[in-house]
Amino acid sequence: GAVVSQHPSRVICKSGTSVKIECRSLDFQATTMFWYRQFPKQSLMLMATSNEGSKATYEQGVEKDKFLINHASLTLSTLTVTSAHPEDSSFYICSAVGLGGTNSYEQYFGPGTRLTVT
Amino acid sequence: SQQGEEDPQALSIQEGENATMNCSYKTSINNLQWYRQNSGRGLVHLILIRSNEREKHSGRLRVTLDTSKKSSSLLITASRAADTASYFCATDYDMRFGAGTRLTVKP
Repeated sequence: GAVVSQHPSRVICKSGTSVKIECRSLDFQATTMFWYRQFPKQSLMLMATSNEGSKATYEQGVEKDKFLINHASLTLSTLTVTSAHPEDSSFYICSAVGLGGTNSYEQYFGPGTRLTVT
Repeated sequence: SQQGEEDPQALSIQEGENATMNCSYKTSINNLQWYRQNSGRGLVHLILIRSNEREKHSGRLRVTLDTSKKSSSLLITASRAADTASYFCATDYDMRFGAGTRLTVKP
């Protein structure tokens, strides 16, 4: 089946630094990628929708200047957490949407990146 | 608001029993997907059901879809302790998730 990878799987950074998380669709072209964050014992919260070659659409309450999303190709989207603070510590998950077997769009999730800001 | 809303929020059963959880959504869809998430881990895709399908099976999983009621159900039969996880649904129209159903299967 379709595979989505995320890198890194875990990252610890100091407050004030920036962290980049990559999301790749390995064997299909993703027309759209989504970024989620998840706090412990809570549901996934959609942060932004990313379409290749265009600006990301951010959900209400998500700071676009803090969470920079770049979708440079049909197989790669990056999320950069700028000037990270401890409250940004979370589990970040991406997903990629591509055409499935019967010509309908299906969503595939990456394994997630655990960010800890000290 | 979320497109997928799971019900109940928490479910605790004994090993061997069946577990049923429900999902409601708001708009027309092409497909609906169920996912499992173990504590602190990423999402695992369980099953996708398309809008022209009413029921789908995969191992011990059975998913139904009622597009007239905009609802879906996930049945796990003969549950095991390893099924303990949170279960989420999502549709192709809106990728927001509900709170999920936290299933605990006691050995």
